[in-house]
Amino acid sequence: EAAVTQSPRNKVAVTGGKVTLSCNQTNNHNNMYWYRQDTGHGLRLIHYSYGAGSTEKGDIPDGYKASRPSQENFSLILELATPSQTSVYFCASGDPGLGGSEQYFGPGTRLTVL
Amino acid sequence: GEQVEQLPSILRVQEGSSASINCTYENSASNYFPWYKQEPGENPKLIIDIRSNMERKQTQGLIVLLDKKAKRFSLHITDTQPGDSAMYFCAAMSNYNVLYFGSGTKLTVEP
Repeated sequence: EAAVTQSPRNKVAVTGGKVTLSCNQTNNHNNMYWYRQDTGHGLRLIHYSYGAGSTEKGDIPDGYKASRPSQENFSLILELATPSQTSVYFCASGDPGLGGSEQYFGPGTRLTVL
Repeated sequence: GEQVEQLPSILRVQEGSSASINCTYENSASNYFPWYKQEPGENPKLIIDIRSNMERKQTQGLIVLLDKKAKRFSLHITDTQPGDSAMYFCAAMSNYNVLYFGSGTKLTVEP
């Protein structure tokens, strides 16, 4: 089964501080994704990547950067954290395939910005 | 991109009855439609999916229907059990292997 891990699992940050959320997958999937989940909004796509060195903007990229230094790792960076970025963040990975393919989710990171 | 609408947002059913969740999408190029179940404090997990070359798929008490003309797809859970209580999300995949999610349905199965 796909293995996607995230760190940290919980994070408390101060407004204006820098936050880095990390994601690692061991399944050699080309595609990786970062979502945030807020009550009433489901999962919203922040950034995604098609492979090492590539990052693409999702639906809500403002205030976030992403980095994909390797096939296995995909980071989400909040340069200047704000309370509105308090949320649960999920990383996912998947392989591109004809007709679509499953995305496997990590356990999530609960971020609180004070 | 894509916009996915999901209804209802809250659904209560009696144990043993059926539950139905409906989703609509806008992009006719979307070709993959997964359904995820999420327990409190957990990550979303795929329970069933359907591709655009199919109209119906069934597995273990779950039925998914896809109407491409109407841009509508639905999940039907037959013989619901308390363990089916959870959040359910539909999604549609665009041309670029990007999933767009509905806002979720909170299903409660009452004994």
